[in-house]
Amino acid sequence: GAGVSQTPSNKVTEKGKYVELRCDPISGHTALYWYRQSLGQGPEFLIYFQGTGAADDSGLPNDRFFAVRPEGSVSTLKIQRTERGDSAVYLCASSPGQGIGNEQFFGPGTRLTVL
Amino acid sequence: AQSVTQLGSHVSVSEGALVLLRCNYSSSVPPYLFWYVQYPNQGLQLLLKYTSAATLVKGINGFEAEFKKSETSFHLTKPSAHMRDAAEYFCAVSDRITGGFKTIFGAGTRLFVKA
Repeated sequence: GAGVSQTPSNKVTEKGKYVELRCDPISGHTALYWYRQSLGQGPEFLIYFQGTGAADDSGLPNDRFFAVRPEGSVSTLKIQRTERGDSAVYLCASSPGQGIGNEQFFGPGTRLTVL
Repeated sequence: AQSVTQLGSHVSVSEGALVLLRCNYSSSVPPYLFWYVQYPNQGLQLLLKYTSAATLVKGINGFEAEFKKSETSFHLTKPSAHMRDAAEYFCAVSDRITGGFKTIFGAGTRLFVKA
């Protein structure tokens, strides 16, 4: 079956612009996660959805970052007034439930470059 | 808060040699621990996980890891390295949050395999 997909795979934008990154989780997965991975680092937690609601958004770096999941499947990560420091690979993962031992299935990521 | 430390950002072994990637964690509660692998230009995929059952966990591709509570370690091993094992490996610990959990990743260890 289809895995987690993310679009676009690459996004180049200018400082100050607005961007949207999309994640399509595995069908039926209720949990969805966004991470940010900078060069040479491990994924850094941003936000977690259980269904339509954000169960924890404590990893969002500031109020320029926002994410939605209106119907409990597709999610969009939105970044306003982008800064060069936002350049990173943004990863999305989904999981079949909220069990603590559940495997997360990762998408290939969106590489964001802010010029 | 839980955290993960991976000792060595780069490890190089010869083909056929033992692979040992080190991971130490800190946790105030019994942890759930994971190893993920990221092959070039691919998304992260789960190698193995520890969820309080057997302390020696076997994963895919001949990898295994042993949970040692007294040492707060979860080192990853493979008896004989293959060229195809060259990748980046991430150790991770689950942290329970309201309604589910989030995963804290280490900085990663890049494994090089020499012919």
